[in-house]
Amino acid sequence: DAGVTQSPTHLIKTRGQHVTLRCSPISGHKSVSWYQQVLGQGPQFIFQYYEKEERGRGNFPDRFSARQFPNYSSELNVNALLLGDSALYLCASRGGGSYEQYFGPGTRLTVT
Amino acid sequence: DAKTTQPNSMESNEEEPVHLPCNHSTISGTDYIHWYRQLPSQGPEYVIHGLTSNVNNRMASLAIAEDRKSSTLILHRATLRDAAVYYCILRDAGGQGGKLIFGQGTELSVKP
Repeated sequence: DAGVTQSPTHLIKTRGQHVTLRCSPISGHKSVSWYQQVLGQGPQFIFQYYEKEERGRGNFPDRFSARQFPNYSSELNVNALLLGDSALYLCASRGGGSYEQYFGPGTRLTVT
Repeated sequence: DAKTTQPNSMESNEEEPVHLPCNHSTISGTDYIHWYRQLPSQGPEYVIHGLTSNVNNRMASLAIAEDRKSSTLILHRATLRDAAVYYCILRDAGGQGGKLIFGQGTELSVKP
């Protein structure tokens, strides 16, 4: 079985632009979470989606939004990019009844 | 969310045991103790979790203090592949399963 996949792998954007990051969970996993990891720090929780509904939101501005599709894949959108949004964005999926989260390799976003 | 405290870094020799400590003095009765690790250039991966009793799996052992205010992740024979940042995380059993609060973690280096 394939693990969690994310696209693109790397991305370079300019301040003020918009970006969409994509995540495909492990087959059968209905929960998807997004994290931001700034260099040198641990991942910070952004969103959790389960069955296409938002189940949790971290302390991030409204410029960050996400959605989950009927096939349980997910998108993270960030508007009006700032230099401080430069980070590794991680997606994790979780199966029902399991505490274990499976992380993808991440998307490295650089804002110039 | 209850907080954990870990040493910033530790060193180990290859094929020797490693004990990674974690303090969580404000842990509540419903908090599970989770450990994840993040190898260089990868997303975090689940290692082990427990509530009250010590736990063993193929990757590691988790020793939990009787008062649950501290725990220790034990790698029985460190390999070079175990060099990673190890995160100790408390997760409320009644909370959102998809939300993990990461701290700074312990960066483990393994010497040949």
